[in-house]
Amino acid sequence: SQQGEEDPQALSIQEGENATMNCSYKTSINNLQWYRQNSGRGLVHLILIRSNEREKHSGRLRVTLDTSKKSSSLLITASRAADTASYFCATLQGGGSYIPTFGRGTSLIVHP
Amino acid sequence: EAQVTQNPRYLITVTGKKLTVTCSQNMNHEYMSWYRQDPGLGLRQIYYSMNVEVTDKGDVPEGYKVSRKEKRNFPLILESPSPNQTSLYFCASSSLRTETYEQYFGPGTRLTVT
Repeated sequence: SQQGEEDPQALSIQEGENATMNCSYKTSINNLQWYRQNSGRGLVHLILIRSNEREKHSGRLRVTLDTSKKSSSLLITASRAADTASYFCATLQGGGSYIPTFGRGTSLIVHP
Repeated sequence: EAQVTQNPRYLITVTGKKLTVTCSQNMNHEYMSWYRQDPGLGLRQIYYSMNVEVTDKGDVPEGYKVSRKEKRNFPLILESPSPNQTSLYFCASSSLRTETYEQYFGPGTRLTVT
């Protein structure tokens, strides 16, 4: 069952612009993770935000979490062509769950 | 280097011919799982394992088997593959000791069943 749903499904921007993608979920979570997938390759963990955190940064990545709205956003600043990939959110539900639930992903294309 | 390996990376087979996709991790992770990825459907979990000899069904287990005889290996078995099992398969692992359960993914196995 898919808990997280990313929005938009696809995003096309120019190099240097910021890219924002959102993730909504349905039940309470322990943490929320963002992953990146280059075409046909395995997913790679980008960043994790815990349920008691509101914002986190890692390089050009900024993640926010709003537990009252059950949503998260991933911002990639000053995007590069190499950022072209699919981005997935994964939620760890509360209550001690260790099984992440992935959304369908946002496909990002950054034009040089 | 910490990694999850899968073999084969590409496989074309015929309906009904049993096959096994191997998965191995070198990080001493307790948790391992298999996903399939299909266009528009995202990642769907097939089976997972919390430790040796402990396996459980995910969201789409029909037509698949797994085993966990050793901590590092988690093979996916298709006893009688059918064309609707044509997909991109990923193995993943994580530690249950960190409480973040960050997943490490293999490179994927692209399976075509004709």
